[in-house]
Amino acid sequence: AQSVTQLGSHVSVSEGALVLLRCNYSSSVPPYLFWYVQYPNQGLQLLLKYTSAATLVKGINGFEAEFKKSETSFHLTKPSAHMSDAAEYFCAVTEGFGNEKLTFGTGTRLTIIP
Amino acid sequence: DAGVIQSPRHEVTEMGQEVTLRCKPISGHDYLFWYRQTMMRGLELLIYFNNNVPIDDSGMPEDRFSAKMPNASFSTLKIQPSEPRDSAVYFCASSLVGERGINSPLHFGNGTRLTVT
Repeated sequence: AQSVTQLGSHVSVSEGALVLLRCNYSSSVPPYLFWYVQYPNQGLQLLLKYTSAATLVKGINGFEAEFKKSETSFHLTKPSAHMSDAAEYFCAVTEGFGNEKLTFGTGTRLTIIP
Repeated sequence: DAGVIQSPRHEVTEMGQEVTLRCKPISGHDYLFWYRQTMMRGLELLIYFNNNVPIDDSGMPEDRFSAKMPNASFSTLKIQPSEPRDSAVYFCASSLVGERGINSPLHFGNGTRLTVT
């Protein structure tokens, strides 16, 4: 069975500092991995996805994530945090092409300190 | 496209009342998903449809919950009778099967915040 674990339900960083949100996955087959972001009072929207092509994936708003098979990780990073990055971030995994098997993590709330 | 549209945005009702949540997916999308989000359980998949047909409703918590998709542009999630533990944010999402059978990412609506008192 597939699963994702997000380390840290809350992360605070200063504006301009590095953002690092951690995600580890478990999957019996090569996975597809995603990061979604949820702004207050909105639905989730896709930040980026890994689908077995390049291991370093670039997404919207300056975010990127690196797939590391040896570490079963897919951590999300951004070199310089902006106030507008404050949101909740969800890592998700699926073992197939379809969204019907998508499993979400519990989320990490990112707070940006001015 | 206007995106996935959900209504109402907020619903407050008393225990025992019927609640109907509505969703209009993105035009052309052939998958529709209903999720529930709570602090305790996070995001839970309740049911999903493919080409208007319910495929898997194993996430529906009880018989009090039912969902329909009468056509490609409309779906409802009904709770009857509602209970305080049903209080949550309910999301509808849609996606499209693209090339090589790979689904597009999920497109979420802004959700309906349900409060049952």
